[in-house]
Amino acid sequence: AQSVAQPEDQVNVAEGNPLTVKCTYSVSGNPYLFWYVQYPNRGLQFLLKYITGDNLVKGSYGFEAEFNKSQTSFHLKKPSALVSDSALYFCAVRGPGDTGRRALTFGSGTRLQVQP
Amino acid sequence: EADIYQTPRYLVIGTGKKITLECSQTMGHDKMYWYQQDPGMELHLIHYSYGVNSTEKGDLSSESTVSRIRTEHFPLTLESARPSHTSQYLCASGRQGTGNEQFFGPGTRLTVL
Repeated sequence: AQSVAQPEDQVNVAEGNPLTVKCTYSVSGNPYLFWYVQYPNRGLQFLLKYITGDNLVKGSYGFEAEFNKSQTSFHLKKPSALVSDSALYFCAVRGPGDTGRRALTFGSGTRLQVQP
Repeated sequence: EADIYQTPRYLVIGTGKKITLECSQTMGHDKMYWYQQDPGMELHLIHYSYGVNSTEKGDLSSESTVSRIRTEHFPLTLESARPSHTSQYLCASGRQGTGNEQFFGPGTRLTVL
């Protein structure tokens, strides 16, 4: 069975500082990894994904994530945080053995709070 | 912005009522999903469909039912709402293929009194 762990319930960072939101995963074989963001009273918005290729993936709103196979991690990063980045972030995984029918497995979410 | 819609956005209803939460997408996606999410908490898959007339239950047991008569439409029904059903319900869709992301609707926040 595949699983995702987001070890931090909340991350606090000052505006202009770099941010990291952590994610580790467990899956058989090569994973497909995703990051989503959820603003208050909204659905989830897709940020970026890793399928294959370059370990550093660039996504929307200046976010990027680094796939590390040896550490089974896919941490979300941004060089300079904005107050408007404050939201709930979800990491998700799907395994290669999946027929493609099933949904993603989501982490528990990390609340990012960027202080002005 | 993804073309996936949910209605109503907010619903407050009494115990015992039958309700249907609507979800539709205009992207021609074969796969559709329903998730249940308590505010600020993780998502739990309750139903999914990989095409017309095909539906399956997800990881979290739910008393709701779904149907998929048309590709673009995936409604969720509760025959008799209870306070324990109070939650946010998120609908999503995606193309065939393991590496494709899901697109989410805005959600329906349901409160059962």
